[in-house]
This record gives sequence, C-alpha cells and structure tokens, in this order.
Amino acid sequence: DIQMTQSPSSVSATVGDTVTITCRASQDVRHWLAWFQQKPGKAPKLLISAMHSLESGVPSRFSGSASGTDFNFTIIGLQAEDSATYYCLQTYSFPLTFGGGTRIEIK
Amino acid sequence: EVQLVESGGALVQPGGSLRLSCGASGFTFSSSEMNWVRQAPGKGLEWVSYINSNGNTMYYADSVKGRFTISRDNANNTLYLQMNSLRAEDTALYYCARVRKGRFSGTFYTVPDYWGQGTLVTVSS
Repeated sequence: DIQMTQSPSSVSATVGDTVTITCRASQDVRHWLAWFQQKPGKAPKLLISAMHSLESGVPSRFSGSASGTDFNFTIIGLQAEDSATYYCLQTYSFPLTFGGGTRIEIK
Repeated sequence: EVQLVESGGALVQPGGSLRLSCGASGFTFSSSEMNWVRQAPGKGLEWVSYINSNGNTMYYADSVKGRFTISRDNANNTLYLQMNSLRAEDTALYYCARVRKGRFSGTFYTVPDYWGQGTLVTVSS
C-alpha cells in the first residue's frame, strides 16, 4: 500500500500569510495526487487534482506542486475563510490513501 | 447539478448489519465510477471501497474486506454499501463520491470530485 505522510498536522497563521503543506508518498504516484479542503460539518471539497490543476471556482491563492514523491499545497495570502482541514489523496493505486490531514487555524 | 445523497445510517449493535444507499442525480451515473469514503468522529478520511461503472470491478480497504460489499443499480442511479459483522471501529460518517476521469499530459487520472453530505453509522451496544 502507498503511504501518504502529510505535514504539518496543524498550523496557526495570520491572514495574509503563506502556508505550505507537504505530502510525501512512499512510492511513485505520478500525477495522481489531489488536495481537499474540509470545513467542520461539511463534506470534503476538491481543490486541486493531478498535482496542480486548480478546480473551477477555486481561488488562485491555492496552488499545488510536486518534486518526485513530495507534493506541496500552498496558500499565498491566507484568508479567514481558509480555516479548515486539508487532505492529500493519492489515486494512483488501490487502496486509495489519504494523508493524515493538516488543520489550519487563523490567529 | 451533481447531487449525491446518502441514506441508511443508523445505530446498530456490534455484529449487526446495515445497508447504505447513495442516490445520484445530475450526471450519467451509469458511466461513472464511485467510491465510499468514511470519517470516524474527530478523525481523518479513510477510503473504504470502489466500484467501476458497470459493477464488475470492486476494491476494498483491508479493514472492511470480507465484511462490506459495494454494489450499484444503474437503472435507479443508486450506489450501495452492504455492511456486515459491524464493529465499533466502523463508527463513522460514510460519504459516497463520484470519480471523475481527467486528462493530464497525454495520459489520464481519476479523482473523486463530487461528494455527498454523508450518513452516520454508529456501532455500539
């Protein structure tokens, strides 16, 4: 099984900050990596697919990048509404595996 | 508009059974692969099961293999998850999610793009 190690598990940041979350895959997942945002009591929302493809309607302050088996998710210019938990997901092979999640708290 | 509506969640005793349903609308269900994903209270997301569009290929997480069965009724746009021999650790909010196929650099990828709001399964005596 492919393990997705996500870090940090939580971060506290100020509006306007840049926040970066990393997911490291235990083996090659190619471009089959997505990022989700989940707010309390809500279903996960797809933000980025195929490593860096922004979903329609998702603000451009969100971005994704990759280097080998390391995948980064960045928010440039953090907004109050970005307070949520973020997950990576590899869909390259079954079982599909999520990262452990990163909770972003706004100071 | 794509809509996925889960139902069937309930309080059930350990060892019991439950069948979850996911009603789909707003897209061609019969052409779409589907997943079940769950989230235990206060915990992260865990993939549970996958089924292809015609229902002849399924995958399961090791944690549910042999106990859960995914199926679908394309005529009625409904996805199912039959859950047997339930355990306390199966307590979770269960989401169904549609799989989208996309193209990337001459190849393709899949991603669960639309999710329902979930149905709560509680396993407790």
